[in-house]
Amino acid sequence: GAGVSQSPSNKVTEKGKDVELRCDPISGHTALYWYRQSLGQGLEFLIYFQGNSAPDKSGLPSDRFSAERTGGSVSTLTIQRTQQEDSAVYLCASSLRIRELAGAGELFFGEGSRLTVL
Amino acid sequence: SQQGEEDPQALSIQEGENATMNCSYKTSINNLQWYRQNSGRGLVHLILIRSNEREKHSGRLRVTLDTSKKSSSLLITASRAADTASYFCATDAMTGANSKLTFGKGITLSVRP
Repeated sequence: GAGVSQSPSNKVTEKGKDVELRCDPISGHTALYWYRQSLGQGLEFLIYFQGNSAPDKSGLPSDRFSAERTGGSVSTLTIQRTQQEDSAVYLCASSLRIRELAGAGELFFGEGSRLTVL
Repeated sequence: SQQGEEDPQALSIQEGENATMNCSYKTSINNLQWYRQNSGRGLVHLILIRSNEREKHSGRLRVTLDTSKKSSSLLITASRAADTASYFCATDAMTGANSKLTFGKGITLSVRP
């Protein structure tokens, strides 16, 4: 597609349920990032993929959070046994990495998935 | 911990005035980027400045970088009501082969018509 696509755009769930959030990056972008944004706050880094591997998972808040990426493309962020503090907007971004030590280039963001845990 | 911190947290100006936003960071960086976010939307990249650059321009935007002070500024000239948004600086810290952008909490800019 033309841009980064995220689904669902809105998800309301009950505490204790599992949720899956999907990100479809721009075709050809090798790097993929997940961030979390709580109301009025900045972006909290969750995880970064280069291809299908995740060199940096340091931001995942707990073992209830996991993410995978398949085929160097679509990524899924899974939150198990959701808690009210998981309520936030989950943003996905992708970028084109040309050389490994070149640093992070411009990130292209999706519109986010707004998660509300009741 | 927050790598980039923006200042001020909120800024309100009249249309036509210039808006200056500042960002400070803590560790050495590969590059620093500024993003804009309209309410309820994703972030949009504005400009990237590399650690060996001191100033960069893009349209009405001017970004400076002072690596000795670990700070950057974003200047929007001749502001418009449509510039109303949140602005974030993001730093790409030197962590070897892996890079991630760390964002600040953002600056809320309101431009009054």
